[in-house]
Amino acid sequence: AQRVTQPEKLLSVFKGAPVELKCNYSYSGSPELFWYVQYSRQRLQLLLRHISRESIKGFTADLNKGETSFHLKKPFAQEEDSAMYYCALRGGGKLIFGQGTELSVKP
Amino acid sequence: DGGITQSPKYLFRKEGQNVTLSCEQNLNHDAMYWYRQDPGQGLRLIYYSQIVNDFQKGDIAEGYSVSREKKESFPLTVTSAQKNPTAFYLCASNRLAALGTGELFFGEGSRLTVL
Repeated sequence: AQRVTQPEKLLSVFKGAPVELKCNYSYSGSPELFWYVQYSRQRLQLLLRHISRESIKGFTADLNKGETSFHLKKPFAQEEDSAMYYCALRGGGKLIFGQGTELSVKP
Repeated sequence: DGGITQSPKYLFRKEGQNVTLSCEQNLNHDAMYWYRQDPGQGLRLIYYSQIVNDFQKGDIAEGYSVSREKKESFPLTVTSAQKNPTAFYLCASNRLAALGTGELFFGEGSRLTVL
């Protein structure tokens, strides 16, 4: 079964602290994973994709096939990072999303 | 101004009534999707369509129906058979050639409340 799990509903950190949003997946084939972000009053949008191995707004995510994880990390959180984050898996011509994690960065 | 337009933004419905949510895109995208967003449950796929006059059920299609008569339009009908229709509904689209990039373009959403 294809599944994406984000175990934390809410993650609260102080500005400047490191951030790690967890994502685990279940997929029988070769996975393609993504992180989406939804800022307050804005549309859901793509943040980054594992295949690009890119860093966007200071965020990175590494695919760990052994642990079936794709955690999103940032070494120093900023207040503007506060948003809802969704991990997604591409399978069978569609995107499957996790439950989402709300990140709150306090000053 | 290109993009995806959903209407209405807010909709109230009495129990037992069907309601149709509109989704229009002028991005010339092949594929369109309907997701339902509930707190704590993330986005769940209702229906998707990769080509005109064809669509597939997602994970929670029961109580919903769609049509894809035009490339630009993918309306969603929430029928009276849907047991818990109060939710936030998101429409999305992308080019099939870009499916591997994983990038979906989302609308602003429609919030349906059943009274």
